[in-house]
Order: sequence, then structure tokens, then C-alpha cells
Amino acid sequence: DTAVSQTPKYLVTQMGNDKSIKCEQNLGHDTMYWYKQDSKKFLKIMFSYNNKELIINETVPNRFSPKSPDKAHLNLHINSLELGDSAVYFCASSHDLDYEQYFGPGTRLTVT
Amino acid sequence: GENVEQHPSTLSVQEGDSAVIKCTYSDSASNYFPWYKQELGKGPQLIIDIRSNVGEKKDQRIAVTLNKTAKHFSLHITETQPEDSAVYFCAASNRGGSYIPTFGRGTSLIVHP
Repeated sequence: DTAVSQTPKYLVTQMGNDKSIKCEQNLGHDTMYWYKQDSKKFLKIMFSYNNKELIINETVPNRFSPKSPDKAHLNLHINSLELGDSAVYFCASSHDLDYEQYFGPGTRLTVT
Repeated sequence: GENVEQHPSTLSVQEGDSAVIKCTYSDSASNYFPWYKQELGKGPQLIIDIRSNVGEKKDQRIAVTLNKTAKHFSLHITETQPEDSAVYFCAASNRGGSYIPTFGRGTSLIVHP
């Protein structure tokens, strides 16, 4: 069974569109995260949700919004996509804030 | 905020050699230092971590050392194998503070058969 899953794996879209990436974890973890990995492999945390409460919100544009319908899901919505949004987005989860993180397989977003 | 520097950015070794990746951090309050391995097309996976109350931790061919005074920590891989080839990330966070992990920029390790 996949511990942390993301859909879709690849997403190609045009500038200005709105898109969503879904994430689900079946580990029973209380905390979920979204990361962005750029073309140079740099990993940067975007959001963190702990017990459905947003507790970390890095300086990302407000075009990005996390949505958590329940503890097992943290979806990422992106409005008005820009070329610079092209990257690999990783979802992750952990038992709690200060535990090791388990990453999903990533979603490669390409904005044309 | 925390700043994590990781070196080298690329490391090429022959199978059987040892590999060492070094990281430095800036925030003396950081107390949790995980290492992640990212294989091509996959998400990062935790391989070992260390807390600030210990100076060294070992797991088979992998070891991590921590020098809190100098604010640096290192990953040591002995008897490298081709399947060790991947990108390795160090990270630092404050488990009693914001918990926000700051990652290094990654080291691409290539193990030649």
C-alpha cells in the first residue's frame, strides 16, 4: 500500500489556468506538508497542516491555497498559473510536527 | 531564520569507496538533523537522523556525526554501492520551536561500478 499518494503524477497546463493537486496519506499521521522542488532540486516547504489547522505558511503567493477536507488529505490549489510555478510538488506527512516526514512520489507541474 | 549549507553539490566515487557529505547550520537552537535520499523520479526518503543530545549515530553502512559547537553535521556512507547513487539532502529544524525544516541544496552522489 502506498503510504503517501499524489495525483496527478504529471500536470501540463497553460498560463492563467487554475489547477489542483491531490494528496492522501494512509499512515494515520496528524501533520501534512506541501513542498516545491525547483529545477535545481532545491526543496522548500510551502505549507504545513497539523490536525487540519494551518500552522506554517511560508511566503508563497496567495494564488496557492491548501485545502484539507480531513486529516488524511491535503490538496493544493493553484490559481492563475505562471511559468515560474513549473516545478515538482511533493506532499509529505508526519506523525506530528517534530517527527520524521514521509514524502509522496511528487507531481511534476509544467506551465506553458 | 535557519540557513543550511551543504557540500559538495556533486560527489563521484568508485564502488567500495567511502562518501562524506557535510552540512553547516546557522541557528544554534536547531536540534533535529535528518538526512534524506532522493532517487530519480521519487520523493525524498529519510535514511537517518540525529538529535542534538548525541554526537554520532550509525545504521549499517550509514553514519551521521554532529558537532554542535561548530554547528556542522556530516553523513558518512561506507562501502558505497551503485544503488547508493541518488541526491542526498540534509535538513535542520528546532523541535521545540517552529519545527520548520530547512533543507540543504542537495548532493548528487554518483557511485561508479
